[in-house]
Amino acid sequence: GENVEQHPSTLSVQEGDSAVIKCTYSDSASNYFPWYKQELGKRPQLIIDIRSNVGEKKDQRIAVTLNKTAKHFSLHITETQPEDSAVYFCAATDDKIIFGKGTRLHILP
Amino acid sequence: DSGVTQTPKHLITATGQRVTLRCSPRSGDLSVYWYQQSLDQGLQFLIQYYNGEERAKGNILERFSAQQFPDLHSELNLSSLELGDSALYFCASSVDLAANTGELFFGEGSRLTVL
Repeated sequence: GENVEQHPSTLSVQEGDSAVIKCTYSDSASNYFPWYKQELGKRPQLIIDIRSNVGEKKDQRIAVTLNKTAKHFSLHITETQPEDSAVYFCAATDDKIIFGKGTRLHILP
Repeated sequence: DSGVTQTPKHLITATGQRVTLRCSPRSGDLSVYWYQQSLDQGLQFLIQYYNGEERAKGNILERFSAQQFPDLHSELNLSSLELGDSALYFCASSVDLAANTGELFFGEGSRLTVL
């Protein structure tokens, strides 16, 4: 079955700097890659997603890239703000949505 | 508010006991997913139901079972509870059968503590 590895587990960046979270997946049949954000004590919410026929997608300060050959995808957050502090989960999907273990992002003032 | 309702929000019980967690999906959503979130373990996929039928299975223990009823609400039953079952259990719903067609809408979760 699908296995998703996510790195780093914790990331601290200065406010205004960029943050990058990387994921790899094992099943070449996976074709949908969402990213969810979970604020402390809250439910996970979708922030951006990308399909396997697209290499990059951007939404304001957030972008995702996908390299199907290497089976890895990344989340890029630019101009980080305090409200970006949260746990971010990547996921890979074929017939099941399998999540990585999460990255706890701290935005330092 | 995601439109997904989970009850109870908190539950404290003892080892060996049995509990039932309930989920009502968003109006119109036919798929229900159950995830377990433990510390440092991310979101572990347990099981998916679509329109009353089991659709996909993840790392769900034999002590756990689930079902989706005709009104589309779902229940997750956890029996012979162990300390390691303490976790936050999320239910999520989506419109479609296939997991790769779009967003999952998560409930607020049910926090289970086994003492």
